Amino acid sequence: KQEVTQIPAALSVPEGENLVLNCSFTDSAIYNLQWFRQDPGKGLTSLLLIQSSQREQTSGRLNASLDKSSGRSTLYIAASQPGDSATYLCAVRPLTSGSRLTFGEGTQLTVNP
Amino acid sequence: DTAVSQTPKYLVTQMGNDKSIKCEQNLGHDTMYWYKQDSKKFLKIMFSYNNKELIINETVPNRFSPKSPDKAHLNLHINSLELGDSAVYFCASSQDRRGRAPYEQYFGPGTRLTVT
Repeated sequence: KQEVTQIPAALSVPEGENLVLNCSFTDSAIYNLQWFRQDPGKGLTSLLLIQSSQREQTSGRLNASLDKSSGRSTLYIAASQPGDSATYLCAVRPLTSGSRLTFGEGTQLTVNP
Repeated sequence: DTAVSQTPKYLVTQMGNDKSIKCEQNLGHDTMYWYKQDSKKFLKIMFSYNNKELIINETVPNRFSPKSPDKAHLNLHINSLELGDSAVYFCASSQDRRGRAPYEQYFGPGTRLTVT
C-alpha cells in the first residue's frame, strides 16, 4: 500500500529565504507526482507535475525534483514571499491503482514579512 | 472561466438527512473524482469515474452514491448523514486517455459539509 509522508509538517521562515519541502513515498512504482498548494478554506491549485521519467520541473520560483528509486521528491521555493504562505501537498499516482492520487498530509508554510 | 466547479460551497444539515453535492468540469476531461478531506486536512480518494463508468470505489459506506449523468458531471449523494461525514469534499478531473495530456488532476473549490 502506497504511503506518502511530508516533512516538516509546518515551517515558518522570514521573507526572502530559499526553502525546501520534502515528500517521500513507499512504493516507487508511480506514474507521476504532483505538488499542490492549498490556501485556507480553498481548493487545491496544481503547482507542478513530474512524470516518472522526469527528474525535475520548474515554474517561476518553484522547482520540483523527483528521485523515483529512493522514493523522494522535493519542492524548492526560491526567495519566499508572504504570499507563498499556504499548505503544500504532494501526491503520487501509482502505476497499479488506476487514476487515484495518494496524498501526503501536507506542509503548512508561513512566510513572515 | 471556472474549470471545475462544485455546488454548494457550504452545506449545513442535521443528522439523518439526505443531501447532494454537484460537480461540473468544462475541461473536456474524461475522468472525474471525489475526495474527502477530514478535520486533520488529510485528503483521501472516494470514487473515480471514467466516461461515466465507475472505476474506483474505495471503502466508502454505501450511504454515499456517486452519479455521473455525463462526462462533465459527477454528483455525490449522501443518505442518512452522520456526524462523521462532516468534512470538505473535493471534486477533481483529469484526462486519462493514452497519448494525451499527462494525467494532471484539477480540483474544484470544495464543499464544506457540516452535520449537526
